[in-house]
Amino acid sequence: AQTVTQSQPEMSVQEAETVTLSCTYDTSESDYYLFWYKQPPSRQMILVIRQEAYKQQNATENRFSVNFQKAAKSFSLKISDSQLGDAAMYFCAYRIPSLYNQGGKLIFGQGTELSVKP
Amino acid sequence: GAVVSQHPSWVICKSGTSVKIECRSLDFQATTMFWYRQFPKQSLMLMATSNEGSKATYEQGVEKDKFLINHASLTLSTLTVTSAHPEDSSFYICSARVRWPYEQYFGPGTRLTVT
Repeated sequence: AQTVTQSQPEMSVQEAETVTLSCTYDTSESDYYLFWYKQPPSRQMILVIRQEAYKQQNATENRFSVNFQKAAKSFSLKISDSQLGDAAMYFCAYRIPSLYNQGGKLIFGQGTELSVKP
Repeated sequence: GAVVSQHPSWVICKSGTSVKIECRSLDFQATTMFWYRQFPKQSLMLMATSNEGSKATYEQGVEKDKFLINHASLTLSTLTVTSAHPEDSSFYICSARVRWPYEQYFGPGTRLTVT
C-alpha cells in the first residue's frame, strides 16, 4: 500500500529565511503525481506545487520549489524568502494513478506545522 | 475557475439529529467528489469517494449507514450525518475532481459540532 510520511510535526523559520520540509513516500508505481498543499488557519486547502514523477526537472512556483528524488522516494519542499503568510500546516500528498480502481485518490502525510517568526 | 463551495460552513446540532452538508463545484463539472474528515492538528482522512449517478465507495472503517453520501448531479454531492453524536464533531472537507487531468479542488470545509 502507498504511504506518505512527514517526519517533522513542527518547523520554524525566521522571516526572509529559507526552510525545507521533508516528505518520503512508498509506491511501486513508476508514474504518479506528488503534491504539496498548504492549509492556513482558515483550513482551506491550497495547492502549492505539483510534481509529475516522469519529469526529472524539479517543479518550481515562485518562492516554492521541490527536490524530487525518485529513486529515494523523497519529495521535499523548499520555501525561500519566507513570509508571515507562509505560516500554515503543510501536507505532502501522493495521488494514486488514475488507471486503478482507486485512481485519483490522494494519500496525505501527517502534516508539518510551519511557524514564521518576524 | 475551479471553485468548490460547501454549505454550511459551521453547523451545531443536537445529539440524535441528522445534518446535511452540501458540496458544489461552481464552475466545472465534477465526475468524482471526495469527502474527508479532519480532526484538529491532524491530517485529512478520506471517508468516501462518490461518483455521479452511482453509489459511494466508503473507506474501511467508515459507517456507510451513518455517513450517507449522495452525488445526484455533476455539480452537487451531499454528506448526511445521521443520528449524530458528539464524537462525530469534526471538520468535514469535500473535494471535486475534474475528468482530466484529474485535479482535485477543495471546498472550504464544514465544522460540525454535536452537543
